[in-house]
Order: sequence, then C-alpha cells, then structure tokens
Amino acid sequence: KAGVTQTPRYLIKTRGQQVTLSCSPISGHRSVSWYQQTPGQGLQFLFEYFSETQRNKGNFPGRFSGRQFSNSRSEMNVSTLELGDSALYLCASRGQTNTGELFFGEGSRLTVL
Amino acid sequence: DQQVKQNSPSLSVQEGRISILNCDYTNSMFDYFLWYKKYPAEGPTFLISISSIKDKNEDGRFTVFLNKSAKHLSLHIVPSQPGDSAVYFCAASAKYSGGSNYKLTFGKGTLLTVNP
Repeated sequence: KAGVTQTPRYLIKTRGQQVTLSCSPISGHRSVSWYQQTPGQGLQFLFEYFSETQRNKGNFPGRFSGRQFSNSRSEMNVSTLELGDSALYLCASRGQTNTGELFFGEGSRLTVL
Repeated sequence: DQQVKQNSPSLSVQEGRISILNCDYTNSMFDYFLWYKKYPAEGPTFLISISSIKDKNEDGRFTVFLNKSAKHLSLHIVPSQPGDSAVYFCAASAKYSGGSNYKLTFGKGTLLTVNP
C-alpha cells in the first residue's frame, strides 16, 4: 500500500511569489491534514480536509489556503511568500478511525529567499 | 498558548540504557495521546499511543505512561539503541468543537541521541 506522497520535495522561491504544494493520501483515506514544521516550533496545524470540505483551520494568515479534490488529493497554496514561510510542509492522511493517528508524507521543503 | 509541552529540547543517553522522554499538556479535553518519531528529511512516523482510559501501553522496547491527574505522559525506551536517535514528538487529540473527529496538537519535539 503506497504511503502519503508529497510533491515537490524541495523548492526555492523568492519573497512575494506564490507556491502550490501537492499531497496524495494513502488509498482509501479521505482526511488530509497539513502541518508546518519550523526549527523550534514543532509541528503547527494548518488545516484539515475531509471529502473536499475544510473541517478545521489553524492560526495562520489567509495567505495560506488549501483544497481537496474528489479523489482525496489535496493542495495547499501560500501566496505573497515571506521569509518566515521557509519551512517543511507536511501532509498527513487518516483513515476511518476515532483516534488521531496520522500517516505523514516526507514533506515539501520550502525555502524563501 | 502551547497546549502540549516538551520541555527538554534534547536528551543524550548511552546505548543499552533507558531513555525517558517527557510531555505535559494543559487541555483536559485531550483524550488520546501519541508519540511520533522523526528522522531528518523524513516525515514523522507513528510510534505508540495511549487512550486516556489507560495509564500504560507497551509495545516492545517502547512504553508510554499517562498520569492524567498530573497531565503528564512519558515515553520509555529500553534498551536504547543508536538507531533510536531521532526527534520525538508528543501529540494529543481532542474532539473538534461541534464535530466528531479529531485534530492533533503537537509538542515542539525532543532530540534524542543514543551514543554507542
């Protein structure tokens, strides 16, 4: 069973640009969450999607957005990039479970110059 | 407001000894707790979990203890091996308000180094 796949793995952007990251969940998983990891801040929740609907959103500015498609694949977009957006962006999927166990992808490393 | 706290950024132990990683939480609504391990350039991988109705869960070399009254959990690794060297994240889940599913809140992580 294939794991969570994220693309691209690495990318470099400049301030003011926008970026789109993609995530394909484990087959059969309908919930996709996005997390930002920065040094010293751990993993911070961005948002979760289930059946194409955003169910919850973390404390990030409106420049961070996402969507989910009918095949459960998800994208997140960051507009007007700032230096502080440099981070590892992790996508995670979850199956039909009452617990919070998430299965993470390897992440997309974004560097903003 | 940091609801899940891992107060030790790093921990160093000798191979064969016990590693104890600690985690504190403030939200009494948390009812499920998880530990994840993360190697550099990889995503976190699930390690072990515990429900709030239990106080201990064991899986091989890994044991998680939960003290609800103290809002504290710990992960014990015995014996520690060099391959255990990684960042360990504590996470907790609670129901979304008005929803029936869960969101994970993570601590900032503890870097464990196991020396040969």
